[in-house]
Amino acid sequence: GENVEQHPSTLSVQEGDSAVIKCTYSDSASNYFPWYKQELGKRPQLIIDIRSNVGEKKDQRIAVTLNKTAKHFSLHITETQPEDSAVYFCAAGSYNQGGKLIFGQGTELSVKP
Amino acid sequence: DSGVTQTPKHLITATGQRVTLRCSPRSGDLSVYWYQQSLDQGLQFLIHYYNGEERAKGNILERFSAQQFPDLHSELNLSSLELGDSALYFCASSVAAGGTDTQYFGPGTRLTVL
Repeated sequence: GENVEQHPSTLSVQEGDSAVIKCTYSDSASNYFPWYKQELGKRPQLIIDIRSNVGEKKDQRIAVTLNKTAKHFSLHITETQPEDSAVYFCAAGSYNQGGKLIFGQGTELSVKP
Repeated sequence: DSGVTQTPKHLITATGQRVTLRCSPRSGDLSVYWYQQSLDQGLQFLIHYYNGEERAKGNILERFSAQQFPDLHSELNLSSLELGDSALYFCASSVAAGGTDTQYFGPGTRLTVL
């Protein structure tokens, strides 16, 4: 079945460093790849998303890259700040899946001051 | 605040009972999605409704059912509850029905089954 693998499961960086989280998906029909940030006990919040007609998208300190051939996409956070500490989830969806998003297992990012 | 509302915030009940979780989508959104988040399973898609009709189903148990009403709010019914059903239940909404629409999540309902 459809699957999204996310690595690493935990990531600790120093404030100001960059953080990279990687995901691989199995369904070649997937064409929508959102990233969500979830703080403890709160709702997942969309931070950036990318559709398969582009290879990269940036929003200030956050960027996502997509390699459809390899079925691989990544989240890059530059100049990390303590408030970036949270769990990050990648997901994959496609039009013919009727809105179903398959989520990765999450990455717990810790930014140390 | 995403504009998606869910009630109740917390629910504590006993095994074998039945509960109903409620979700109101963002104004203008026609789709509602339900997800279950547990520690060992992560975020799991349950079901998607678009404008009152079921559009996609995930690994939703037969003891669980959902519907979307004419005013577009949705309810998730969980029956014959088991300890393993304890989880955070999120609903999300989007404008249209496609799998490439941005989904906005509500604050969730934390269900504890004792």
